[in-house]
Amino acid sequence: QITLKESGPTLVKPTQTLTLTCTFSGFSLTSSGVGVGWIRQPPGKALEWLALIFWDNDKWYSPSLQSRLTITKDTSKNQVLLTMTNMDPVDTATYFCALRPGKSGYKNSFDPWGPGTLVTVSS
Amino acid sequence: EIVMTQFPATLSVSPGESAVLSCRASQSVENYLVWYQQKPGQAPRLLIYGASTRATGIPARFSGSGSGTEFTLTISSLQPEDFAVYFCQQNNDWPLTFGQGTKLEIK
Repeated sequence: QITLKESGPTLVKPTQTLTLTCTFSGFSLTSSGVGVGWIRQPPGKALEWLALIFWDNDKWYSPSLQSRLTITKDTSKNQVLLTMTNMDPVDTATYFCALRPGKSGYKNSFDPWGPGTLVTVSS
Repeated sequence: EIVMTQFPATLSVSPGESAVLSCRASQSVENYLVWYQQKPGQAPRLLIYGASTRATGIPARFSGSGSGTEFTLTISSLQPEDFAVYFCQQNNDWPLTFGQGTKLEIK
């Protein structure tokens, strides 16, 4: 069974740096084609893709947020980290991590997702 | 960036009837289009990938079609658990982009 779970602070102050951890089980981030992505969703709004890291350490970022984002992996711990600098109240959202399956046909889709973690940015 | 537009924003349908949700891409994404279902307080769930292939465990009443820039998700014989928000996502090009969602509500 594949599971992912996000963890990190629920409240950060403006200008602070947010670090979120995605801890997963049931798959290996060393398997060819596999990746883990981060997606966020402001309350009541649409999904926004943030970043994706592949088994070979290839990394892709949303161009609009690239300057603020860093995605890394620790395969020994089965974790993927996302760092977002200079947090602002508009970054208040539920942050999800999700598996990018390495199976044919899925390409850069996400299945399954973690339950998400709500991060509020407020002073 | 490929812009994904979903319509309608809200669709009211009675249980047992069918629903047709639409998704349009601002440029061709070939068949690299996925659909997700999201219920309140939950994470999205993958329904359809490759525009028309059901993900594992997804009931046959969910079907996807389309290619290029126009896509549809059809849900036949709506069940109570199908009333949710549906998002499309193009996975053909970077950055990955999602539509704004269609809320399927009970009529």
